[in-house]
This record gives sequence, C-alpha cells and structure tokens, in this order.
Amino acid sequence: DAGITQSPRYKITETGRQVTLMCHQTWSHSYMFWYRQDLGHGLRLIYYSAAADITDKGEVPDGYVVSRSKTENFPLTLESATRSQTSVYFCASTEYEQYFGPGTRLTVT
Amino acid sequence: AQSVTQLGSHVSVSEGALVLLRCNYSSSVPPYLFWYVQYPNQGLQLLLKYTTGATLVKGINGFEAEFKKSETSFHLTKPSAHMSDAAEYFCAVRFGSSSASKIIFGSGTRLSIRP
Repeated sequence: DAGITQSPRYKITETGRQVTLMCHQTWSHSYMFWYRQDLGHGLRLIYYSAAADITDKGEVPDGYVVSRSKTENFPLTLESATRSQTSVYFCASTEYEQYFGPGTRLTVT
Repeated sequence: AQSVTQLGSHVSVSEGALVLLRCNYSSSVPPYLFWYVQYPNQGLQLLLKYTTGATLVKGINGFEAEFKKSETSFHLTKPSAHMSDAAEYFCAVRFGSSSASKIIFGSGTRLSIRP
C-alpha cells in the first residue's frame, strides 16, 4: 500500500538505552521530517532531510541522530534515551503538503 | 518573524452548532495555508489547503476555510458540528511555494462536541 509507515507504534525503553524509530514512505518524496508532539508544545521539528544523504537540524535536535541512505527511509535514533524524550513521534514526507505517518508513542522509564 | 497562532487551545460546541476554529499568521511572503485534523492515536490528516485562486476553500467532512489576506487569517468553519468532528485541529502555513519552504504548525485546537 502506498503511504508512510512508522515502526514500532509503541515503545517502552529505559533511560540510557539506544532506540531507533523507523519511517518508510512509498511515494519517493524528496523531503522527509521528524516531529515530536507534546502537550503544550504542539508539533516541534526535530530533523528533516531534503534528499538521500542530506539532513539538517530542526527546532529540537539535541539527543537525536538521523540518517537517510535511501530516499524511502528516514530512521530517527535516540542515542541515549532520557525521560524528557518521552513523546509521540511523527514522521512526515512532502510533495507539497505534508503527509504524516501514524506516529510512534515512546515512553522512557 | 513568521508565526502561526491558533486562538483557543480548546473549543467546545453543541452537536449541530457552528464550528469556528481561528488561525492567524504573520508572513512577509505569500503564504500557503493548511488545516490538518488529528484523531486520537492517529497521525495528522489534511483537511483542506489554500494555495492560490479562490479564497474560500472546501475540504473533507464538510469543513471549509477562508483566506483573508487583510486580516492574515485562515479560520476553519463547519456549519453543523457532528460528534465525529471531535479531534485536534492544526493550522499550518508554508512560507514559500517549494517543497523546501518552511512549514510552521500552530499549537493546535482541541474540538469537543456536546451532545
């Protein structure tokens, strides 16, 4: 099915562990984005990518790492998870308007 | 500075009543405007968009929005609310015409529908 998918949908991890959130899109859109959504903050941009091997920081990049070796994939890694990174994470891709994945709810204990 | 403001973090209306969700922006370039809806435990879904042309745009589920340049607004309306409209609504503005242009999201408005 065409679209944008995220995995896992739910994740619980411990402080200090590394965790990777996956994002895959089937449209071959050039631009892809990672947001986090928290109460009182709305959507905040973490990182974005203009194409394979081209990434750039957004509003809240600290503690996150991204890569984009293939156009269709844009994984987000928390190298050493902290409780403040408990959030819902959304991946998006854009042709003109943004298309969002279903989100990953991450809890860091 | 470019910004997007949604007035009212929570709006409650009765079923059958008019829905009005407010969005204002500041921009030095012609904006491209969007409304998204987010149902619980789901991603954001595009409701409608304004690019150029007619300033009144119609979207899915009976929603519409009007771009008013003089007021720098893009308010979302629906004549008669339905219980299924209960969700979070986000206004978004693209400051420029290309995919590389920055998009800013408002902080969201939670719409509740009273029976």
